[in-house]
Order: sequence, then structure tokens, then C-alpha cells
Amino acid sequence: NAGVTQTPKFQVLKTGQSMTLQCAQDMNHEYMSWYRQDPGMGLRLIHYSVGAGITDQGEVPNGYNVSRSTTEDFPLRLLSAAPSQTSVYFCASSSFSGSYEQYFGPGTRLTVT
Amino acid sequence: EDKVVQSPLSLVVHEGDTVTLNCSYEVTNFRSLLWYKQEKKAPTFLFMLTSSGIEKKSGRLSSILDKKELFSILNITATQTGDSAVYLCAVMNYNNAGNMLTFGGGTRLMVKP
Repeated sequence: NAGVTQTPKFQVLKTGQSMTLQCAQDMNHEYMSWYRQDPGMGLRLIHYSVGAGITDQGEVPNGYNVSRSTTEDFPLRLLSAAPSQTSVYFCASSSFSGSYEQYFGPGTRLTVT
Repeated sequence: EDKVVQSPLSLVVHEGDTVTLNCSYEVTNFRSLLWYKQEKKAPTFLFMLTSSGIEKKSGRLSSILDKKELFSILNITATQTGDSAVYLCAVMNYNNAGNMLTFGGGTRLMVKP
């Protein structure tokens, strides 16, 4: 049971490049979400999913796409990276039954130059 | 717009002191309030509060929710240097797509020996 895994741990992109941040969980959780964390700003919700095939926008969705083709995986795509997307990205998952505790991945530190 | 505000932004205390961290919120369809501790990695879950007036306790940490006044406090007694971290408050509410989690900006606690 690995919990929530994210890859890569670190990434440097040039402005305009695209890439996908990977997130996977092995707890059969229905709910998965992506956050970005900037200094002094806490965690802001980018996109979330309440189950396979269902996604919705969070607080700061612009510049990001997601899809949820399986329960386990929830990749986050940056379409055309911008310096404003330099941040630490966390993926999280939780179950709708039980405590709603969110389990976080270890994070991806992204720098866009 | 859903809003979660934490205070103070940062706090410096000495070992053995007691601290109180505050979290106020304005959200529609409130479900629960969660506290997390974040060191230099992903947040780790501390408490989930759903009902007013019922204290949750874990060792030297305790928390309580006031749903009438829309706030929660997190108390840490006999602080230790290992308590140094950012403490995040998050509120779960419910919209048409399901549950959403909104985070406050965090309180940075530093405990000096």
C-alpha cells in the first residue's frame, strides 16, 4: 500500500513547454484533487474529481487540464507553462465514506523559467 | 466566495509555552473543518471537527469548533521544538459536484529551545 504517489519530485520547464504531473493512489478513493502551494498562501485547489470520468474546476484552474480515466490515476497537465506556475504541487485523495481525511502525495516542485 | 482565514500568520514561542491558533471561515454548505500540520513536506492530518463544542484531543494538541461563530481553535500545550511547522486549517463544504476543501493561508509556528 503506497498511498498517494507523485512524479516527478522536481521539474524545471521553460516558458511555453508542456508537461504532465502524475498522481496515483492505491486506496480506491473516489475523491482526488490537485493543489498548488505558494509561499504564504496555503493550498489552493486547482482541479478535483469525485470519481472516474468526472472532473471539475477548483479555485485556480486556468492553465491546467485534468482527466480521470481510472479510479487510481489523476494526471495534471500544464498546457503552456508560465513563470506564474512556479509552485509546489500536491495531489490528494480521500474516501467519501469515513473521516474525509485527505491523504497527500509528497509534492512536485516545479520551476518555470 | 468561500473563505478561510487563519491567525496569526506567524508565531514565535519558547518551549513549554501554550499557543492558540485561530481559524475563521465563511462557506456555504459546511460539512467539516480539518487541521493539518505541515513541516517541509506534504501536510499531515491532525483533526476533523464536525460538531460544535466537542473538543478533539491528541496528546498536547486539542481543537474545538464553534459553528455559530464560524471559527475553530487549535491549542498546543507545553510546546516542543518538534511542534515547529505550518498549521493549516481547511473547511470541507458541499456543492453540486460533491465535497470541496478550502484551505486557509496557514500559521507558521516556531518553537525556540
